Amino acid sequence: DAGITQSPRHKVTETGTPVTLRCHQTENHRYMYWYRQDPGHGLRLIHYSYGVKDTDKGEVSDGYSVSRSKTEDFLLTLESATSSQTSVYFCAISDSGLAIPNEQFFGPGTRLTVL
Amino acid sequence: GENVEQHPSTLSVQEGDSAVIKCTYSDSASNYFPWYKQELGKRPQLIIDIRSNVGEKKDQRIAVTLNKTAKHFSLHITETQPEDSAVYFCAASMNNDMRFGAGTRLTVKP
Repeated sequence: DAGITQSPRHKVTETGTPVTLRCHQTENHRYMYWYRQDPGHGLRLIHYSYGVKDTDKGEVSDGYSVSRSKTEDFLLTLESATSSQTSVYFCAISDSGLAIPNEQFFGPGTRLTVL
Repeated sequence: GENVEQHPSTLSVQEGDSAVIKCTYSDSASNYFPWYKQELGKRPQLIIDIRSNVGEKKDQRIAVTLNKTAKHFSLHITETQPEDSAVYFCAASMNNDMRFGAGTRLTVKP
C-alpha cells in the first residue's frame, strides 16, 4: 500500500460538535482527495487539493471544509457534525496532472458515526 | 457534472465462469476510466484502468473495454476464483474530478 495513513480510524461524536479528520502521506504526491462512501452511492468526492493551500470543491462539499498547509497533510473538518455525515471517509493521493490522470491510492478509511 | 451508472448491483457466478460488469458515463470529456476492487472492510484498490485513446486493455484474467461513442465501458473477469469475491467500482475522470459508480457486489461460488 502507498504510504497513506488516516487518523482517527474510528470516531463517534455527537450532533453539533466539530470533527477533524487527518490524512498523512509519505509519497510526496501533489494531489490529495477526500471521499465519503455510503451504501448505494459508491465513493463521492468531497474536496480535493492540487497543492499546498490550493483546494477545490467536489461533488458533495456542503458542510465540509479542508486545509492543506503541508504537502503531506490534508485535513477534513466538519464544523458542526450532523447525522447525515455518518459515513466512511477515505483519503486518496495521486501524482497525476490535469491532462494525464493517473491512479488514485486510497488510505485505510475512517469510520465516523454522528449520534 | 459527470454521472456514472453501474450494472448489475449484485452478481453471483460459479468458480471458473466469467463475470462482466458494465458502466455508462455521461460526460464525453472524461478521459480516464479506472476499476477498483474493495474487499470487506478494506480500502479500494486499483485493478485495471484505461484511457480514452485506447479501446481495450488486458491484464491476465482481467480486461476492460471502452466504447467512447456509446460512452460505456466494461470489466471482464475470466476463470473467476473465490478470491475475486468483492465489491467492484467503476469510475470516470476528467481533470481530477473522479465520479464512481455505485458498485457491484461479485460473489464467486466454489
